[in-house]
Amino acid sequence: DAGITQSPRHKVTETGTPVTLRCHQTENHRYMYWYRQDPGHGLRLIHYSYGVKDTDKGEVSDGYSVSRSKTEDFLLTLESATSSQTSVYFCAISERQGGNREKLFFGSGTQLSVL
Amino acid sequence: AQKVTQAQTEISVVEKEDVTLDCVYETRDTTYYLFWYKQPPSGELVFLIRRNSFDEQNEISGRYSWNFQKSTSSFNFTITASQVVDSAVYFCALSEATSGTYKYIFGTGTRLKVLA
Repeated sequence: DAGITQSPRHKVTETGTPVTLRCHQTENHRYMYWYRQDPGHGLRLIHYSYGVKDTDKGEVSDGYSVSRSKTEDFLLTLESATSSQTSVYFCAISERQGGNREKLFFGSGTQLSVL
Repeated sequence: AQKVTQAQTEISVVEKEDVTLDCVYETRDTTYYLFWYKQPPSGELVFLIRRNSFDEQNEISGRYSWNFQKSTSSFNFTITASQVVDSAVYFCALSEATSGTYKYIFGTGTRLKVLA
């Protein structure tokens, strides 16, 4: 299994509070991704990173920011959490080398509830 | 722009029936990868298969088979003689290799229920 750790695994917070989710990898993969999973919407890309300090927006980036100061860590921040951000958040990593090494490895997910 | 459509929201079958999950994709890139992932009730996302756009050979792995047709932009997944353990949500995904976007885009998933 790919070495991906998401923390926390579960979090309950109140509307308006800031929240940071952490993704840590031990694979030295260049590419890292944050997805959210919601019923009826599948997996939607929030933000992704293609290197240290190199990030870009995904499909549903409003209300989220990210940072990547080290290869191994990719942080997702909800500046002011809203109930619509209640979701399961998955971190994923990829080498994007093509061929047989081209795929996403996923973390175990973070269940976030915003009350 | 990349897009993946899984029109089947939920499918229920009786054990031992065959079932096909549909996936239709859109891309302007000539080089791309297609994937299927499984999410069992435990919640983890499990990689099943990858196909690149230059390889249209169908693939079989045990009870699983995949049919890739560029002419119809489809990458369908068939489970033969389904089992209760196949009950899960299945996601199809697309990654463009040369567009420079680095994204993996997923469909909305198909929930498969296999009844004993």
